[in-house]
Amino acid sequence: EAGVTQSPRYAVLQEGQAVSFWCDPISGHDTLYWYQQPRDQGPQLLVYFRDEAVIDNSQLPSDRFSAVRPKGTNSTLKIQSAKQGDTATYLCASSLHWGTGQDTQYFGPGTRLLVL
Amino acid sequence: AQKVTQTQTSISVMEKTTVTMDCVYETQDSSYFLFWYKQTASGEIVFLIRQDSYKKENATVGHYSLNFQKPKSSIGLIITATQIEDSAVYFCAMRENNAGAKLTFGGGTRLTVRP
Repeated sequence: EAGVTQSPRYAVLQEGQAVSFWCDPISGHDTLYWYQQPRDQGPQLLVYFRDEAVIDNSQLPSDRFSAVRPKGTNSTLKIQSAKQGDTATYLCASSLHWGTGQDTQYFGPGTRLLVL
Repeated sequence: AQKVTQTQTSISVMEKTTVTMDCVYETQDSSYFLFWYKQTASGEIVFLIRQDSYKKENATVGHYSLNFQKPKSSIGLIITATQIEDSAVYFCAMRENNAGAKLTFGGGTRLTVRP
C-alpha cells in the first residue's frame, strides 16, 4: 500500500514569492494534517482536516498561509508572500479518524523550503 | 496545555547494546496517547510504537519497547541490540483525548550507533 506522498520535495524562493505544497494521503485515511518542522525542532501542527472540513487551523498564520482539501482526499498548503522565517520542512500526515484506536499518524517525506 | 519534553539532545552508543531515551509529558487529560517516531537522515519520519494511557502493559514492537511510568508522566523508549541503521533522531509525541487529533512533539533525541 502506498504511503503519504508529497511534492515538491524541495523549494527555494525569494522573499515575497508564493509557493504551494501538495499532499496525497494514504488511501482510506479521512484525516489529513500539515506540520511545519523548523531545523532541529520537532514538527508543529499547522492545520488538520477530517474529510474536506477544517477541524483546527488555529496554528496556521492565516494572513499568508492557507490550506484546502476540497474533495476530502488530496490537499494543498499555500504560502503567499513567503518570509525567511518560513524556512522549514513542511510535512503532511494522514490517519484514520481519531478515537478509532487506529489513529496513528503516518508521515510523508516532506517538502524542504528555503526562503532567501 | 499539553507539553512533551525530551531532555537528552544526543546519545552515542556502541552497536548491539541497549539504549533508553527519556520523555516526560504534561497533561490535564485522564486519557491520552503516546507515540515514538524516528526521523532518518533523509528526513523521513517513521512511526515506531505507541502506548495508550489506559493500558498497563508496556508496548513492544520488534526491538523497540516502552517503559511507561504513569505516576511520573514518563514514557521511555528502549531499543535493544542496536544496529547502525538505528542512528536517527527520535521524537516522542502525545495526543490528548480531549484535544482532537493534535499531536504535540518533543524536541527530539539524536541517537548515534557506533560500530
